[in-house]
Amino acid sequence: QVQLVQSGAEVKKPGSSVKVSCKASGGTFGNLAINWVRQAPGQGLEWVGRIVPLLRTPHYAQNFQARVTLTADESTSTAYLEVSSLRFEDMAMYFCARGLYYDSSAFDIWGQGTMVTVSP
Amino acid sequence: SALTQPASVSGSPGQAITISCTGTSSDVGGYNYVSWYQQHPGKAPKLMIYDVTNRPSGVSSRFSGSKSGNTASLTISGLQAEDEADYYCCSYTSTSTRVFGTGTKVTVL
Repeated sequence: QVQLVQSGAEVKKPGSSVKVSCKASGGTFGNLAINWVRQAPGQGLEWVGRIVPLLRTPHYAQNFQARVTLTADESTSTAYLEVSSLRFEDMAMYFCARGLYYDSSAFDIWGQGTMVTVSP
Repeated sequence: SALTQPASVSGSPGQAITISCTGTSSDVGGYNYVSWYQQHPGKAPKLMIYDVTNRPSGVSSRFSGSKSGNTASLTISGLQAEDEADYYCCSYTSTSTRVFGTGTKVTVL
């Protein structure tokens, strides 16, 4: 059974960048998309974007288009989320989640989450 | 913008509750691609329903989904203590993005 394993917690200063990884353990991504979801402390879920590692074509939510970059390395079954010009409001838990089937809007396997703290 | 869910819903053990998720014809109403997630505190979300009515393997049959117009619904029958959690809907949109609901806290009285 595939598991998604994310990189550890990060503490960053405002204006800097952070890169979070999401590695498939026990399998590969296949032709399925990896989605990224943000959850600020005490807040709801927010869809950030998705990438199909096989195609390397990212698709972003409008709110994240300017400062988020999604990439993937199919050879290592690892997807990445990079947020640049960090602001206090970027402080959140970031989850990666696999699409249930190609182009699915359902996410069946989730990473454990990576907490990004933005602090001066 | 986010789909609209009630902030909280409560029920007694054994009862049935329904959580609504209201969008527009550009998301919920336009496609049969609504999913529902359960999230316990400090945990990753768990897929409960996909494509409006389908239950993944391993999810209790007490959970069911439906849709009418621009509103999707999640019904939990035979409410149990372990169902106390936050629930989120998610829909495909006309711009090929996905959008989550505002979230509903379910309390078992």
